[in-house]
Amino acid sequence: EAQVTQNPRYLITVTGKKLTVTCSQNMNHEYMSWYRQDPGLGLRQIYYSMNVEVTDKGDVPEGYKVSRKEKRNFPLILESPSPNQTSLYFCASSPGDGRNTIYFGEGSWLTVV
Amino acid sequence: DAKTTQPTSMDCAEGRAANLPCNHSTISGNEYVYWYRQIHSQGPQYIIHGLKNNETNEMASLIITEDRKSSTLILPHATLRDTAVYYCIVRVAGNQGGKLIFGQGTELSVKP
Repeated sequence: EAQVTQNPRYLITVTGKKLTVTCSQNMNHEYMSWYRQDPGLGLRQIYYSMNVEVTDKGDVPEGYKVSRKEKRNFPLILESPSPNQTSLYFCASSPGDGRNTIYFGEGSWLTVV
Repeated sequence: DAKTTQPTSMDCAEGRAANLPCNHSTISGNEYVYWYRQIHSQGPQYIIHGLKNNETNEMASLIITEDRKSSTLILPHATLRDTAVYYCIVRVAGNQGGKLIFGQGTELSVKP
């Protein structure tokens, strides 16, 4: 079954404690991306990757890092989380740009206290 | 980058067609229009996409105006399960093909 899997699904952490949210897809997609969703602000793109070792900033990259060492994985790293990074995070993947369906993961609820 | 504008909310009677508009007046020639929906806080679900021709699948129809500056998603026979937030998205192609710009979405309420 085609899947985008995120872990953890729910996490409460403390300010400044580094954390990683993993994202894995089993569809051999080139494109992967991270979004955050906050009340009243819709979905905002954090980072995206067009292929292995190729990453680029979205609209709200501050405070986040990503890496794309292999095609199936695209982890989101919060080096020093702050309360304003409390949000619902989605990972997504697709076979390419412009013409292909984008598949989203089920989301990761992150609370930073 | 092309952005989209959608009404904040709409109501529709169960069994009737739901017509959800989207304005993307700055869209460029190689950008696709996508529609997704999100039920509660689940991952967005793909509905349909198109470039310039009208499209239809088992879920919905997409009507794109000739000048491509706006589009309408049509759910032909809305059910209560279609209650969701619907997002119109323009996908930037070419070297910036990874950027996805979401509109604010339309909250569709299907009522009995």
